[in-house]
Amino acid sequence: DVKVTQSSRYLVKRTGEKVFLECVQDMDHENMFWYRQDPGLGLRLIYFSYDVKMKEKGDIPEGYSVSREKKERFSLILESASTNQTSMYLCASSLWDTNNSPLHFGNGTRLTVT
Amino acid sequence: TQLLEQSPQFLSIQEGENLTVYCNSSSVFSSLQWYRQEPGEGPVLLVTVVTGGEVKKLKRLTFQFGDARKDSSLHITAAQPGDTGLYLCAGAGNQFYFGTGTSLTVIP
Repeated sequence: DVKVTQSSRYLVKRTGEKVFLECVQDMDHENMFWYRQDPGLGLRLIYFSYDVKMKEKGDIPEGYSVSREKKERFSLILESASTNQTSMYLCASSLWDTNNSPLHFGNGTRLTVT
Repeated sequence: TQLLEQSPQFLSIQEGENLTVYCNSSSVFSSLQWYRQEPGEGPVLLVTVVTGGEVKKLKRLTFQFGDARKDSSLHITAAQPGDTGLYLCAGAGNQFYFGTGTSLTVIP
């Protein structure tokens, strides 16, 4: 089974801090994704990556950046955390064929910015 | 941009009842997936439908993809408490577009 591991289940950070959320997958998937999940809004795509060192903006990239230096690792960076970035963050991976390959999700990181 | 609307947003039913969740869009998708998410976990894939009009069954769950590949439905027969969770549809394009989710509670 594919395993997607997010480094932290819960994080509490202060406004203005730089925050790193780490995600590792063990199935050699080409695609990796970062979503945030908020009640009533579903999952919204922040950034995704189709290959090492490659990144594409999703629907809500403002205030975030990403890094993919190795195929198995995709990091989400909040350059200067703000309270409106308090949310559940979900990392996912999939094979290259996005039309027919399922997303495999981690268990999420619940981030609170105070 | 929210391309997929799910209804209802919340659903609370008694064990043994039937229910249907709808996922609607004005966009055409090459495939559509349904996920279930339990508290404290990430979403897990239930099914992928690819062909317009396709019907897939997974035990008591029946999934249908609309003829025009713009909408889908999930029907659960004789719901069980173990069906409780958040159900999400996702349409495939150049990325996955998720619906707003349906939170289902099945009361024993």
